[in-house]
Order: sequence, then structure tokens, then C-alpha cells
Amino acid sequence: QKEVEQNSGPLSVPEGAIASLNCTYSDRVSQSFFWYRQYSGKSPELIMSIYSNGDKEDGRFTAQLNKASQYVSLLIRDSQPSDSATYLCALRKAGTALIFGKGTTLSVSS
Amino acid sequence: GAGVSQSPRYKVAKRGQDVALRCDPISGHVSLFWYQQALGQGPEFLTYFQNEAQLDKSGLPSDRFFAERPEGSVSTLKIQRTQQEDSAVYLCASSLGSGGSEKLFFGSGTQLSVL
Repeated sequence: QKEVEQNSGPLSVPEGAIASLNCTYSDRVSQSFFWYRQYSGKSPELIMSIYSNGDKEDGRFTAQLNKASQYVSLLIRDSQPSDSATYLCALRKAGTALIFGKGTTLSVSS
Repeated sequence: GAGVSQSPRYKVAKRGQDVALRCDPISGHVSLFWYQQALGQGPEFLTYFQNEAQLDKSGLPSDRFFAERPEGSVSTLKIQRTQQEDSAVYLCASSLGSGGSEKLFFGSGTQLSVL
């Protein structure tokens, strides 16, 4: 089992809808969780980080962390075509490098 | 420079050739990471430096892969006797500190194609 699991998609949503992206992880000692967005041919860019259980909101993005169930999710409200990209879930344990999932491709249709 | 710089942007190598990929991190950044990203996959960790010390090289796929950061700034990833399965985008990232919550800044990557 990989440390970080994501459904590769594609996830297709209409413009204005809520996109829900999910990620599970296997190691309970993971401490920091991140969502990166990667456009085709570009490098990953950080959009959200979350460290404690619960929700964290930043504009149209909400990250949710549930350590008991070992999952992290990202909600994108009012999805726009410009949100079409691959979303990478990542985690980090103390003293280690960032570990990525394989990513979920999101397609927002206008 | 303002960001993480990687060169070359594209590299085509014949199978069996050696290649060297360069990463110039953001000035003052302590931590430097190398990742390998195959098409349709997430970035896979290769190795990690804190200043000039290579703290983790557990992700290097074989002894053909070697990385160094001799003065704690610029890093070079060297691949000897390249194979077709080495074809991927090689991403370099740096962070200011070494804590687990530090934000990573990625370079644009080097796309390596081994023919």
C-alpha cells in the first residue's frame, strides 16, 4: 500500500459546482498535510496546508483533515475552468521529505 | 534569482550516456529536495539535503543515481549509464528551513528523455 492514495480521476464537474477531492494515508505518525495544484507541464504549487483535525478555509478552498480515519480532503467551491489541473495530496513526517500521492485530475467544464 | 532555477529545461540522452542536472535553489534556503515525476504520476522522492549534508537518499532508484550539494547551495543530480526507464521530469524544490511545515518551492523541472 502506498503511503498516500488518491483516485486518479478524472473528476469532472460543471462550472460553479463544488469539487471534492479525497486522499487517504497509511502512516498515523504523519504530521503535516498539503494540497498542491499542478497544471500540465508545470511544477506543483502549494494551495493549502493543514496540520490539525478539522477544517481550514482559504477563499474558495477548504481543506479537511481527519486523523482518526486517516483522510484529507479538498473542497473547491464555485469551481472555475481555470481550476482544471491535477491536485496532489502530500504529507510530511518530522525529519522527512514530502511524500506525494499520484494526483487527481480535475476537469471543470464551462 | 527569485525562484528555484533548474537547467537544462530539456535533455535528450542516448541510452548509456551520463547526464547531469543542475538545481539552483532560492538563496538562503537550507533544505533542498529532488523528485522524479513520470508521466501521469505524482512526484517520487529521490533525495534530501540540509545545507551540504545529504540526510536522506532512500529514494534514489539505483546506484546509477548520485546527488551532491558541496557548498550547501547549488545541487547536481547525476545519472550514469541512463536507461529508458529514467525518462521523466526531475523536479528540484527548496525550503527556507527544515521543519515539517515548511513550504516547498519547486523549480520548473528538467524533462529527461532517454532514447
